[in-house]
Amino acid sequence: AQKVTQAQTEISVVEKEDVTLDCVYETRDTTYYLFWYKQPPSGELVFLIRRNSFDEQNEISGRYSWNFQKSTSSFNFTITASQVVDSAVYFCALSEAWDDKIIFGKGTRLHILP
Amino acid sequence: NAGVTQTPKFQVLKTGQSMTLQCAQDMNHEYMSWYRQDPGMGLRLIHYSVGAGITDQGEVPNGYNVSRSTTEDFPLRLLSAAPSQTSVYFCASSSTSSGGVTGELFFGEGSRLTVL
Repeated sequence: AQKVTQAQTEISVVEKEDVTLDCVYETRDTTYYLFWYKQPPSGELVFLIRRNSFDEQNEISGRYSWNFQKSTSSFNFTITASQVVDSAVYFCALSEAWDDKIIFGKGTRLHILP
Repeated sequence: NAGVTQTPKFQVLKTGQSMTLQCAQDMNHEYMSWYRQDPGMGLRLIHYSVGAGITDQGEVPNGYNVSRSTTEDFPLRLLSAAPSQTSVYFCASSSTSSGGVTGELFFGEGSRLTVL
């Protein structure tokens, strides 16, 4: 069965620092999809990125970047020059092809201190 | 664009009562699912559906029933509420392809349920 581990329960950094959120996954499938979601203090869940298992290119979107490494089964998320608005809970999730479950990690609560 | 609509947003129940959380989406998504969110536990999948008439169990299905009679609606029923079901419930929908659920999940705003 698939599994997602976010070992960092809570992280605090000072504004403008870079921060990396770790995500390690387990799957026996060769085809799968990885996701990151953000949950700000207001409570809604916001999609950030989807990556399929055949695309190991790193992705950059503004201050956000994602590092996908199949060799270590990791899909880490880095925020560069963090801002207070980045304070949120971030979830990593995994979906295996031919299985219709999307399984989430327990999330990492990120505090950006002014 | 309504997206995914959940009702009610807040509910207080007594132990043993039953209730239904409603979820409706207007994006013509085949895939719908229910999650519960508890402190320190992340989002845990309760039930999901890949289309009308098809439902399946997720990680924590006990105590919950679902049905999918239409593409748009996916209600979650608590038959006999227990304090352990106190949680925030999220409904989500997504597009699908031959390779499973590959699209992003669109979430409702959540329903906060308290069972006394």
